[in-house]
Amino acid sequence: SQQGEEDPQALSIQEGENATMNCSYKTSINNLQWYRQNSGRGLVHLILIRSNEREKHSGRLRVTLDTSKKSSSLLITASRAADTASYFCATGKGAQKLVFGQGTRLTINP
Amino acid sequence: NAGVTQTPKFQVLKTGQSMTLQCAQDMNHEYMSWYRQDPGMGLRLIHYSVGAGITDQGEVPNGYNVSRSTTEDFPLRLLSAAPSQTSVYFCASSSQRGGQNEQFFGPGTRLTVL
Repeated sequence: SQQGEEDPQALSIQEGENATMNCSYKTSINNLQWYRQNSGRGLVHLILIRSNEREKHSGRLRVTLDTSKKSSSLLITASRAADTASYFCATGKGAQKLVFGQGTRLTINP
Repeated sequence: NAGVTQTPKFQVLKTGQSMTLQCAQDMNHEYMSWYRQDPGMGLRLIHYSVGAGITDQGEVPNGYNVSRSTTEDFPLRLLSAAPSQTSVYFCASSSQRGGQNEQFFGPGTRLTVL
């Protein structure tokens, strides 16, 4: 069974708008990670947030973590066509044995 | 650095055939993992290794074997291929040195079992 569940499953927005994706998980974690997957490619790590952190930024990415609600959100600001991809959250207690959600398919329309 | 490499990129098997998917990394990572991704789904962990000579089962290990004789290589063996094993297979490596937990993924092997 998969630990994380992303919401929405698919999201389509106009270029320049902000995109928000959510992830919920079931058990306690040490960290939560977000990955991007372009069509037909491997996953690329975007950002990691530890369980004692509430918010983290990296460029146009902002991640929040609410351990009391067992949820996280990924915000991409000022979206670009190149942001079109699937985004996955992954939870775990270390560097191995990550559990991935089913992903959010993001489409940025020009 | 080449990062994580996987071969082959594509493979078609007949039911009952066996084969080995190759994975290698040149980052001296202690951890390596194999995942499968089915259409429209996230990744599911098949097997993982925390170091040479040490492997363990993930969520969906049945029908697959692994070994880790060196730090660099982590091959995945399909013992007797079944149509249910049609999927895209990703190998990943990671390290906890310096608190880095991110996984580095290979480009994947697309496997079809007829």
